[in-house]
Order: sequence, then structure tokens, then C-alpha cells
Amino acid sequence: EAGVAQSPRYKIIEKRQSVAFWCNPISGHATLYWYQQILGQGPKLLIQFQNNGVVDDSQLPKDRFSAERLKGVDSTLKIQPAKLEDSAVYLCASSLVSRGVNTEAFFGQGTRLTVV
Amino acid sequence: GQQLNQSPQSMFIQEGEDVSMNCTSSSIFNTWLWYKQDPGEGPVLLIALYKAGELTSNGRLTAQFGITRKDSFLNISASIPSDVGIYFCAGRNYGQNFVFGPGTRLSVLP
Repeated sequence: EAGVAQSPRYKIIEKRQSVAFWCNPISGHATLYWYQQILGQGPKLLIQFQNNGVVDDSQLPKDRFSAERLKGVDSTLKIQPAKLEDSAVYLCASSLVSRGVNTEAFFGQGTRLTVV
Repeated sequence: GQQLNQSPQSMFIQEGEDVSMNCTSSSIFNTWLWYKQDPGEGPVLLIALYKAGELTSNGRLTAQFGITRKDSFLNISASIPSDVGIYFCAGRNYGQNFVFGPGTRLSVLP
């Protein structure tokens, strides 16, 4: 079974530029998450989708971050404009929904973003 | 908001030694997960725990869901070099999303 696919693996941009990340979850997983992982810390949830709807975006900096999952499968996360403090690994994860509850999440390899 | 603490923050052990680490929460959880993250990779799920007092093994790894529901423990027996990495706990209560701890960095000396 294919895992969570993310691209690109690495991205270097200058501050104030924009960047987009792509994620394709495990087939059949209704829930998709984007996490931000700053060096030396655990992953922090940015946004959660169930199918094509947003379930939780309370920690997404909406002035510069946006995400969509239009067809309920793959998803994109965009940052515009980027700041130095956005340098981090952006992880996508997906999970099944069982009896109305999200099961454990499976992660992709992540995209390492460096803002200079 | 919910916060998780992991102890120790980092540890250096000799190959063949056993390892113990724990995770504590300020609030009660109904699910605990343990992940391992290698450099440049995403976290990989090791063990999931769903019931207070539950003890679950995965090869040389054993994890326990604390009876108070505010902590969890991970043990690795007879460590090998490929055990090197960062171990994260994650927990959640009903209807909530998982919260991750800051991780325990494990180094194994030959």
C-alpha cells in the first residue's frame, strides 16, 4: 500500500516570496492533516480536513497560510508571503475515520522549507 | 491548551542496553501514540494505546498507557544502532486532535 506522498522534499525561498506544498494521502483516508515541525520540536497541527471540508484550522496563520482539498483527495498548502520564522518541515498526514473517530495518523516524508 | 512533556529530552546509551522514556500530560487522554522519526523523514507509528493500563509490544518495543490516563511509557530492550532517532508521544481525548510531545532524542553508542 502506498504511503502519504509529499512534494517537493526541499524548498529554499527568499522572505516575502510564496511557496506551495502538495500532499496525496493514503488511498481511502478521509482525514488529511498538515503539520508544521520547527527544528527541535514536535509536530504542530496547522489544519485538518475531513474529505473536502475543513474540520480544524484554529492554529493556521490565516493572514499568510492557506490550504485546500478541493476534491477530497490531494491537498495543497500555500504560504504567501513567507517569513523567516516559517522555516520548518511541513508534514502531511492522513487517517481513516472509524465509527466517527479519526484513527492514528500516518505521515509523509515532509517538505523542508528554508526561508532566507 | 494541552501540553505534553517528554523525559528525558535526550539520552546516550550503549548498544545492547535497555531504554525507558515517558510522556506526561496536564490532562486526561483516551489514546496514546508513540512515533519514531529518523533524520529527514516523517514520523513513523510504532505503537497505539487505547485503554488505561494497556501494555502493548511491537518487537523489542513495549509501551504502556498509564493508569492515571495522564502518562505513557515506552521501553526499548536490547538497543541496536538503528534505534537512533527521535521518539515522539502523541495523545488525545475524545473529540480532540492529537497533541505531540517535544520528543526524546536517542543516541546509541557502539
